[in-house]
Order: sequence, then C-alpha cells, then structure tokens
Amino acid sequence: EAGVTQFPSHSVIEKGQTVTLRCDPISGHDNLYWYRRVMGKEIKFLLHFVKESKQDESGMPNNRFLAERTGGTYSTLKVQPAELEDSGVYFCASSHGTLTQYFGPGTRLTVL
Amino acid sequence: EDQVTQSPEALRLQEGESSSLNCSYTVSGLRGLFWYRQDPGKGPEFLFTLYSAGEEKEKERLKATLTKKESFLHITAPKPEDSATYLCAVPGSARQLTFGSGTQLTVLP
Repeated sequence: EAGVTQFPSHSVIEKGQTVTLRCDPISGHDNLYWYRRVMGKEIKFLLHFVKESKQDESGMPNNRFLAERTGGTYSTLKVQPAELEDSGVYFCASSHGTLTQYFGPGTRLTVL
Repeated sequence: EDQVTQSPEALRLQEGESSSLNCSYTVSGLRGLFWYRQDPGKGPEFLFTLYSAGEEKEKERLKATLTKKESFLHITAPKPEDSATYLCAVPGSARQLTFGSGTQLTVLP
C-alpha cells in the first residue's frame, strides 16, 4: 500500500511569488491534514479535511494560505503571495476511521 | 489548550546503553497519545498509540508507557539505527495533533 506522497519535495521561491503544494493521501483515507514546522519550532496543525470539506482550519496563519481538496482525493495548499516567514517544512497526513495519522515526507519551502 | 513537553531535547547514548525519553502532557481530555519517529529529511513515522493510563506497547527495542500525566519511551540496548528524533503528540477534540518539540537521539557505535 502506497503511503502519503507530497510534491514537490523542495521549493525555493522569492517573496511575493505563489507556490502550490500537493498531497496525495493513502488511498481510501477520508481525513487529510496539513501541518507545518518552521525553523526551531514544533510541528503545528494547519487544517483538516474530511473528504472534500474543511472540518477545521483554525491553524491557518492568514488568508494568504488556501487549501483545497476537490473530489475528496488529493489536496493542494497554495501560498499567495509568499512571505519570508512562510519558510518551513509542510507535512501532510491522512487517517481513516481512527485517530492515527500517517505522514508524508514533507515539502521544504524556502522563501527568499 | 493542549500542551506537550518532551525531555531531554537531545540524548547521546552508547550502543547498548538503555535509557528513557519523557513526554509530559496537559490536555482537557485524553483521547490518546502518539509516538512518532522522524529521520532527517523525512516525515514522522508512526510508532505507537496509547489510550489509557497503565497501557504499554512494545516494538523491537522500544517500549512506550502511559500515566495520567506523562508517557515514557524506553529504549533497551539501542543500536545506531535507532538514532532519530522521537516525537510525541496528543489529539485534540477536532483530531488535530499537538506535538512536542521532540528528543533527538544519537546512538554511538
């Protein structure tokens, strides 16, 4: 069974540009989560989808971040426009039926 | 607000030298406690879920235990391949995980 996949693995952009991160959850997992780790800090929750619906987006830092999950399969997280403080590693996780979340390898975002 | 504190921040062991990592938590209602392992450049890898005080889980050289205030990850006779950052996390009422800052374990040959 394939795990959670994320694309790209690394992204380097300039301040003011737009970046879109993609996450493909484990097949059949209805719950999809986005987390972020910024330098020197712990992993922080961003938002949670159940199928295509946003269940909880209380962790989204501001309206420059937009997450979508069309069709309840893969999800995208767009940052527009990117700021320096958006640099970090963005993780996606998925779960089905239990609280146990399985994480992807992450996307390392660097904003210059 | 849920809080998770891990100690120590870093731990260096000789191969075969057993030790324990600590995870203290404050939650409004415990729904479980998770342990993950994270290798450099990778995502957290699920290890254990503990649901109630007194529960124990084992996997190879690792054993996780849970009390009402904290969890321990015991590492028995570690090997260099056990070197990683170990994270604990608790789920909130909306399933979101609150993570600790992790313990970076280095096992020297």
